Amino acid sequence: AQKITQTQPGMFVQEKEAVTLDCTYDTSDQSYGLFWYKQPSSGEMIFLIYQGSYDEQNATEGRYSLNFQKARKSANLVISASQLGDSAMYFCAMRELYNTDKLIFGTGTRLQVFP
Amino acid sequence: NAGVTQTPKFRVLKTGQSMTLLCAQDMNHEYMYWYRQDPGMGLRLIHYSVGEGTTAKGEVPDGYNVSRLKKQNFLLGLESAAPSQTSVYFCASEAGVGGLNNEQFFGPGTRLTVL
Repeated sequence: AQKITQTQPGMFVQEKEAVTLDCTYDTSDQSYGLFWYKQPSSGEMIFLIYQGSYDEQNATEGRYSLNFQKARKSANLVISASQLGDSAMYFCAMRELYNTDKLIFGTGTRLQVFP
Repeated sequence: NAGVTQTPKFRVLKTGQSMTLLCAQDMNHEYMYWYRQDPGMGLRLIHYSVGEGTTAKGEVPDGYNVSRLKKQNFLLGLESAAPSQTSVYFCASEAGVGGLNNEQFFGPGTRLTVL
């Protein structure tokens, strides 16, 4: 079964608007970590934000925040005030406590920001 | 501090040829990883290493071999390339020691085409 599901292959957002990229996950572990990475057209993978399963607050990093709903097993990335430079692929990933050696990635969402 | 570097950046092979991709990191990280990225499939783990002299299979190890003779280097070998191995290959490293929140640092990628 797929562990990380990103159901939006592509998203469009206008500059300065907020956008939410969806991520749901499947695990039987109580302890796990969730990551978001950005991949611009240049190809490199850039770490954006991390959320631990026991973190009480939703993670925030500048314009990025994570809408973590544990009961729903969702970890959606919210980008506020979108910029043209936010156009990229975005990947959600998970690490489980019983398998901390590995990150499991979703298939990604391509975000395009238009003026 | 170069982070994670990969050589080469591009390569074209004929079916049946062999090659080695080199990954180097200067962050003294324990863990290193090789992923392949194909359209619509996200990043899939090929092999990984949790320390010098150790390697382990990931999700898609067939047709690849790896070696970690030195802590800073992780080599990915293709003994007999096949067109199905046409992909973008990413190397990553992380500090390790079993932390849920350990960020993976990625190299710039190698685009491999097998004709």
